[in-house]
Amino acid sequence: SQQGEEDPQALSIQEGENATMNCSYKTSINNLQWYRQNSGRGLVHLILIRSNEREKHSGRLRVTLDTSKKSSSLLITASRAADTASYFCATENQGGKLIFGQGTELSVKP
Amino acid sequence: DGGITQSPKYLFRKEGQNVTLSCEQNLNHDAMYWYRQDPGQGLRLIYYSQIVNDFQKGDIAEGYSVSREKKESFPLTVTSAQKNPTAFYLCASSFGSWYGYTFGSGTRLTVV
Repeated sequence: SQQGEEDPQALSIQEGENATMNCSYKTSINNLQWYRQNSGRGLVHLILIRSNEREKHSGRLRVTLDTSKKSSSLLITASRAADTASYFCATENQGGKLIFGQGTELSVKP
Repeated sequence: DGGITQSPKYLFRKEGQNVTLSCEQNLNHDAMYWYRQDPGQGLRLIYYSQIVNDFQKGDIAEGYSVSREKKESFPLTVTSAQKNPTAFYLCASSFGSWYGYTFGSGTRLTVV
């Protein structure tokens, strides 16, 4: 079962611009996490936000969580070509396991 | 350095064969997970284990089997009952779902 849905499916921007990706989910969660995947590689954990938090920052990343709307957004500021990757949200509910969305493919052009 | 290692990187399976994918971690993580990723898709959970000698089915367990005899190891066997095994397989470990997962670099399995 896919819990999260990312939007847009693909995003193409110029270096230096900001990139925003959204994630919606269906059931109540304990936390929501964002991951990055470079082509053909494993996933890398970026940030975790708990259900009682509304916003979290890590370097150029900003994550927001709105539990009333069951949605989250990931903002990457001042993007770089090296940010080109797929980005996935994942939700953790009572089952103790992460359920991943389909991902947003980000392309940052130099 | 601590990490999680998957092997082999590429694997080719003939029709009717069982194959085993290796996953080893030295992070002292209690929980380990196997996911399958198809092209352009998200990850789907195959099996997970939160403690040694115990594991649970995920969303797509049919045609797969696992064991968890040691904390460090969580091998996945793709059996001949799995009719469409060609995919990218990812192993992950964690102290629990309240923490981020550490992923291996994946095994790409192809049926020939």
